[in-house]
Amino acid sequence: AQTVTQSQPEMSVQEAETVTLSCTYDTSESDYYLFWYKQPPSRQMILVIRQEAYKQQNATENRFSVNFQKAAKSFSLKISDSQLGDAAMYFCAYRLYSGGSNYKLTFGKGTLLTVNP
Amino acid sequence: NAGVTQTPKFQVLKTGQSMTLQCAQDMNHEYMSWYRQDPGMGLRLIHYSVGAGITDQGEVPNGYNVSRSTTEDFPLRLLSAAPSQTSVYFCASSRTGAEQYFGPGTRLTVT
Repeated sequence: AQTVTQSQPEMSVQEAETVTLSCTYDTSESDYYLFWYKQPPSRQMILVIRQEAYKQQNATENRFSVNFQKAAKSFSLKISDSQLGDAAMYFCAYRLYSGGSNYKLTFGKGTLLTVNP
Repeated sequence: NAGVTQTPKFQVLKTGQSMTLQCAQDMNHEYMSWYRQDPGMGLRLIHYSVGAGITDQGEVPNGYNVSRSTTEDFPLRLLSAAPSQTSVYFCASSRTGAEQYFGPGTRLTVT
């Protein structure tokens, strides 16, 4: 079974600085997706960034980028120029590439990010 | 589009009561699922559906039933609520499955 591990329960960063959240996963599959979701106090789950395992290029979305190391099964999220609105719980998630029952998302336990002004 | 909607937002039940959490999506997505979120546990899959008339169990299905009579709706039924079912429940939907869109969640307390 696939597992996702986020080893940092809590992180903090100063406003305007950069922070990196860690995620490792375990799978025997070669084709899959990896995601980072953000959950602010409103509770809404918001997709931050997505990475397809077959792509060697790391995904970026504005101030958010990932460092995807397939061989190491590592998928870290870098937030640059941190803003107060980035404060949230961040979840790393895994999903197999093919459909049917493989649509299931497996989540890590989350990292609570605090942004200090 | 309203996206994924869930009702109610909050609910308090007594042990043994039954209720249905509603989920609807207007994006014509084939795939829909229910997750529960407990402190320190992340989100765990309860049940999912890959299309109307097709449902299957996820990681933590005990105590919950689902049905999918239409593409749009995917209700979650608690037959006899227990305190262990106190949680936040999320419904999600997806077309091809790449990105799942989540509803706003239902906070359920069972006393």
